[in-house]
Amino acid sequence: SQTIHQWPATLVQPVGSPLSLECTVEGTSNPNLYWYRQAAGRGLQLLFYSVGIGQISSEVPQNLSASRPQDRQFILSSKKLLLSDSGFYLCAWRGGGYNEQFFGPGTRLTVL
Amino acid sequence: KQEVTQIPAALSVPEGENLVLNCSFTDSAIYNLQWFRQDPGKGLTSLLLIQSSQREQTSGRLNASLDKSSGRSTLYIAASQPGDSATYLCAVRLKGGSYIPTFGRGTSLIVHP
Repeated sequence: SQTIHQWPATLVQPVGSPLSLECTVEGTSNPNLYWYRQAAGRGLQLLFYSVGIGQISSEVPQNLSASRPQDRQFILSSKKLLLSDSGFYLCAWRGGGYNEQFFGPGTRLTVL
Repeated sequence: KQEVTQIPAALSVPEGENLVLNCSFTDSAIYNLQWFRQDPGKGLTSLLLIQSSQREQTSGRLNASLDKSSGRSTLYIAASQPGDSATYLCAVRLKGGSYIPTFGRGTSLIVHP
């Protein structure tokens, strides 16, 4: 069966520090991968999605970036965090016969 | 652009009630619609997926229906329990090769004993 992992689970970082969040999927190949952010009291915001290695599409302008160095690995990065980057970051993959979307457990990021 | 609305935004009910959560969408040319549950501080858990050609899907006490012509889906929860307390989100994916589903803001449900 397929599983999706995210780490770290929680992170507290100072403003201006770098960021690296990792997402890996097991049990499937060539999945579509997504990064979402969920801020307090707000809906789910799509940040990036990827249909293959090295293929990244950005949905919103921001100081975040994403990379897909391997088929089942998706990384969210920032060179300098802002206070507004605080939130709950969710990785998801889409696949299967019915194109169902599945989410990871999330990373809670607090920027101080 | 697809817009997805979920009403009500919040709901508090006593245990045992049958519930209906609503999800409406503006573009009826959908590929599929997916219902999720999210517990506080957790990721989204897929509950039901309805393909465009289907009218409903059932899993245990949950039943999701789809009416494309009216742009609506409902999630029916039978005999609600405190463990059903969570936020329920729907996501709609359009036809035409789009890889990106559009999410509603969710309905926050509290079932009290």
